[in-house]
Amino acid sequence: QVQLQQSGAELVKPGSSVKISCKTSGYTFTTYDMHWMKQQPGNGLEWIGWISPGNGDTKYNQKFNGRATLTADKSSNTAYMQLSSLTSEDSAVYFCARVGRASGVLFDYWGQGVMVTVSS
Amino acid sequence: DIQMTQSPSSMSVSLGDTVTITCRASQDVGIYVNWFQQKPGKSPRRMIYRATNLADGVPSRFSGSWSGSDYSLTINSLESEDVADYHCLQYDEYPLTFGSGTKLQIK
Repeated sequence: QVQLQQSGAELVKPGSSVKISCKTSGYTFTTYDMHWMKQQPGNGLEWIGWISPGNGDTKYNQKFNGRATLTADKSSNTAYMQLSSLTSEDSAVYFCARVGRASGVLFDYWGQGVMVTVSS
Repeated sequence: DIQMTQSPSSMSVSLGDTVTITCRASQDVGIYVNWFQQKPGKSPRRMIYRATNLADGVPSRFSGSWSGSDYSLTINSLESEDVADYHCLQYDEYPLTFGSGTKLQIK
């Protein structure tokens, strides 16, 4: 069965970076793009960007441009999101979710989310 | 960026009610709207795709519709398991944008 398993909660200091992972199984990793979303406590969802694991193509929300970096490791079927220059506004839950490249099926499977807390 | 103005932000509902949640798009997004259900501490679950299509495994009491720039999610005969937050998403244009969410609460 399809699974997107994200890494554990992070407590990080302001100004630092965090890198979270999304390990996939149950499907062909390179045939789905991986998108990332942010959700602050009690708030709606915000789209960060996507990566195509097959060729490394990326697209970012301009709001995160320069601070968010999406990568993918085909050998381990894992996608990563790194966020740098963290502030308290980055304290949120971060989700990965897949999109079928051929089918266009959007966000049918999600990771469980990673809570990132930015605090000194 | 396309704004998805979602209303209401919260609703107090009774079991058995018919509930309608709406998102208004700030520009044309065609059929490219999804609806998601999210329960506390959980990931969103896709309920409706391409504005009107029921996702796999979603009960038939859920439906999606649209008229002009207004997109609606309707739940008929609300059940206790439907109490959750609901989010709309437009994916016609980057950046993808979500509505601000609707919280359903039991009266």
